[in-house]
Amino acid sequence: NFMLTQPHSVSESPGKTVTISCTRSSGSIASNYVQWYQQRPASSPATVIYNDDQRPSGVPDRFSGSIDSSSNSASLTISGLRTEDEADYYCQSSQSSNVVFGGGTKLTVL
Amino acid sequence: QIQLVQSGAEVKKPGASVKVSCTASGYTFTTYAISWVRQAPGQGLEWMGWISPNSGSTNYVQKYQDRVIMTTETSSSTAYLELRSLRSDDTAVYYCARYDGSAWGQGTLVTVSS
Repeated sequence: NFMLTQPHSVSESPGKTVTISCTRSSGSIASNYVQWYQQRPASSPATVIYNDDQRPSGVPDRFSGSIDSSSNSASLTISGLRTEDEADYYCQSSQSSNVVFGGGTKLTVL
Repeated sequence: QIQLVQSGAEVKKPGASVKVSCTASGYTFTTYAISWVRQAPGQGLEWMGWISPNSGSTNYVQKYQDRVIMTTETSSSTAYLELRSLRSDDTAVYYCARYDGSAWGQGTLVTVSS
């Protein structure tokens, strides 16, 4: 099975833009959809991006997703950062019906 | 709206078993597989496997293969996770989620302690 590697933590100021990367260790990042989940403290994860770049209804357009085959990675970009965006973010993909999560990235908005 | 509601917190002794339930509403239960994901204290998300309510077929992560049983009861739109031979490092919050990730349960804290 493959691994998804995320930075352990990122921080940025309110109003700025931050990008969180998710690099796939083997196999093409484009071969299976990538999802991104936001998990606030003491809460269940919630989808912010599905199928690489799609936003569920209710998720603000400040959240966007993309994939880059050249670096075999996916990215979550959050623009116009707000303090409420402070959370853990997890990428997730699959292969042959097996689900893989990245290790998670703690976003601090300071 | 789509909801997954899980059973309450459990405290178990090492060697015991635990069974967590997850009741779905707001969609046709048999349309989507249910994944089970666990999160140890201060750690990330770990996928344990999934079950198809339609066919009953399962796919377990190898490390849990000999200790986990996932089942469903379509009449009540409920999925179950049973974990046997509990150890202290099984202490975690256990989540059910629709396979597409669009809905998650609220989580069930399972504490294993003597």
